[in-house]
Amino acid sequence: GENVEQHPSTLSVQEGDSAVIKCTYSDSASNYFPWYKQELGKGPQLIIDIRSNVGEKKDQRIAVTLNKTAKHFSLHITETQPEDSAVYFCAAMDTGRRALTFGSGTRLQVQP
Amino acid sequence: EAGVAQSPRYKIIEKRQSVAFWCNPISGHATLYWYQQILGQGPKLLIQFQNNGVVDDSQLPKDRFSAERLKGVDSTLKIQPAKLEDSAVYLCASSSTPYGYTFGSGTRLTVV
Repeated sequence: GENVEQHPSTLSVQEGDSAVIKCTYSDSASNYFPWYKQELGKGPQLIIDIRSNVGEKKDQRIAVTLNKTAKHFSLHITETQPEDSAVYFCAAMDTGRRALTFGSGTRLQVQP
Repeated sequence: EAGVAQSPRYKIIEKRQSVAFWCNPISGHATLYWYQQILGQGPKLLIQFQNNGVVDDSQLPKDRFSAERLKGVDSTLKIQPAKLEDSAVYLCASSSTPYGYTFGSGTRLTVV
């Protein structure tokens, strides 16, 4: 089955700096890669996703890049704000199976 | 649209007792998932339903866990008997397409 590795496990940045979180996956059949943000006491919330026919996608301060050859994808957050502080999860899915496999999470702390 | 509803929000039980969680997905979402999230880890799939049929339950500990989705709408997840290692957040999610699950807020289970 699919295995997703995520790093770093914790990341502390100053407000206004950029943050980068990286993930690798093992199953070459995976073709959908979402990122979720989870705040304390809440379920994961989808913030951005990318499909395998696209190399990069951007939504305001958030961008995701995908390298299918190397089987890795990354989340980039620019101009970080204190409200970006949360746990971020990457995930991968073969849309034929429709079940996400998650990474272990990155706790992002944005220092004001 | 209304989100994924889960209840209860919190549950504390003694080991060897039984417990049940309830999930009401977003209206019209045919696919429903139960995930287990142990503290400090990413969510792990327990079971996936398509309408009222099971698509994938390969990671469900069937000696103690059971789940059903009667009439293809609401779902219940049961644990009997509970073990200490079952302490986790149980997340329900639903989707209408392969892309973009919507998660509920989860049920936090503590087994003492």
